[in-house]
Amino acid sequence: ILNVEQSPQSLHVQEGDSTNFTCSFPSSNFYALHWYRWETAKSPEALFVMTLNGDEKKKGRISATLNTKEGYSYLYIKGSQPEDSATYLCASGYSTLTFGKGTMLLVSP
Amino acid sequence: SAVISQKPSRDICQRGTSLTIQCQVDSQVTMMFWYRQQPGQSLTLIATANQGSEATYESGFVIDKFPISRPNLTFSTLTVSNMSPEDSSIYLCSGGAGLAGGSEQFFGPGTRLTVL
Repeated sequence: ILNVEQSPQSLHVQEGDSTNFTCSFPSSNFYALHWYRWETAKSPEALFVMTLNGDEKKKGRISATLNTKEGYSYLYIKGSQPEDSATYLCASGYSTLTFGKGTMLLVSP
Repeated sequence: SAVISQKPSRDICQRGTSLTIQCQVDSQVTMMFWYRQQPGQSLTLIATANQGSEATYESGFVIDKFPISRPNLTFSTLTVSNMSPEDSSIYLCSGGAGLAGGSEQFFGPGTRLTVL
């Protein structure tokens, strides 16, 4: 059974701040790492699927890095906006996905 | 990409009753999955819905409690049977082109279930 952990559990920043979260996963038998953004009452939105050690992906102000040897991924948000307020989930796995508990981000104007 | 809808979006049910949740995908997907998120917990996989055959359940989940159907490549249902307050959760379905790990997974908006 995979153990995927995320930190911090929650984060409150001011508009314009840059922030980052961490996702830890077992480095053995790694296959893929997913990041999602989940706003209340909406569908979780896929942000990135990452498979290669050292991979970096970017989508607008959001970027992610992957270190499969040490078993972690960082998600960065540059210049946070109130619309970035959501829960950010990471998940890892092969045929199925194991999710972390998420990081709840609140961005105040 | 795929757009996934779920019905109902929320429900309040009495203990001992059953609720069937429907999941509709706007395009054919190879894989469909059902998850739940109990309060304060992570999204947990209940089962993989297999077209035309019995679903594959994860440890701790059984067919008698969570019967699943998948008659075709765009539709699936999950029934929560003989409900108790511990079944109060958000239930989500997802779909994708291949193995969950290797391909992008698309999610429905979830069904918020409260059991009294």
